Amino acid sequence: DAGVIQSPRHEVTEMGQEVTLRCKPISGHDYLFWYRQTMMRGLELLIYFNNNVPIDDSGMPEDRFSAKMPNASFSTLKIQPSEPRDSAVYFCASSWTGASPLHFGNGTRLTVT
Amino acid sequence: DAKTTQPTSMDCAEGRAANLPCNHSTISGNEYVYWYRQIHSQGPQYIIHGLKNNETNEMASLIITEDRKSSTLILPHATLRDTAVYYCIVRVPLIQGAQKLVFGQGTRLTINP
Repeated sequence: DAGVIQSPRHEVTEMGQEVTLRCKPISGHDYLFWYRQTMMRGLELLIYFNNNVPIDDSGMPEDRFSAKMPNASFSTLKIQPSEPRDSAVYFCASSWTGASPLHFGNGTRLTVT
Repeated sequence: DAKTTQPTSMDCAEGRAANLPCNHSTISGNEYVYWYRQIHSQGPQYIIHGLKNNETNEMASLIITEDRKSSTLILPHATLRDTAVYYCIVRVPLIQGAQKLVFGQGTRLTINP
């Protein structure tokens, strides 16, 4: 089991550019979560999916952020246009059931200049 | 949502037991206590969880007081690799049963040689 795989590990982009973060959950896990971590706000839940369907996106900061899960093995988090305040580490996590422990990827460190 | 209170930082000598306290005085009867840790530059890692009975696994032990208002995570023989930020989290139930983990600031545990 390779665990949750995120790409890229690091992303540096200029303000106004589109950014796409990718996640491959653990095979067989029905839940997928996107978190963001900053020094000021810690770890925040942005959105989560159950069986590829978005269930709760109340944590998505604004309309510039969007997430999709076209199939059970792939999800994307897109920021368009990006802003410097979006700089953070973005984590993807998956779990087998809603009550199972979460397995996190190693995150994508995003820097927007 | 039940909130947790943890010390900001702790130190422990290598080979000794590390005891990490957590207060959750407003916990509800059906809420679980979860512990995760985050080693530098990695995603959070699940350690253990419990409802009201003490729990033990290969990583740690969890002691929950009888009134469930506090708990202690015990790493029996701490090693340098246990240096991390440890998060005590009370699970917030959500629609469709998915756990919404709300991460606080955690305890920064440093294991000293």
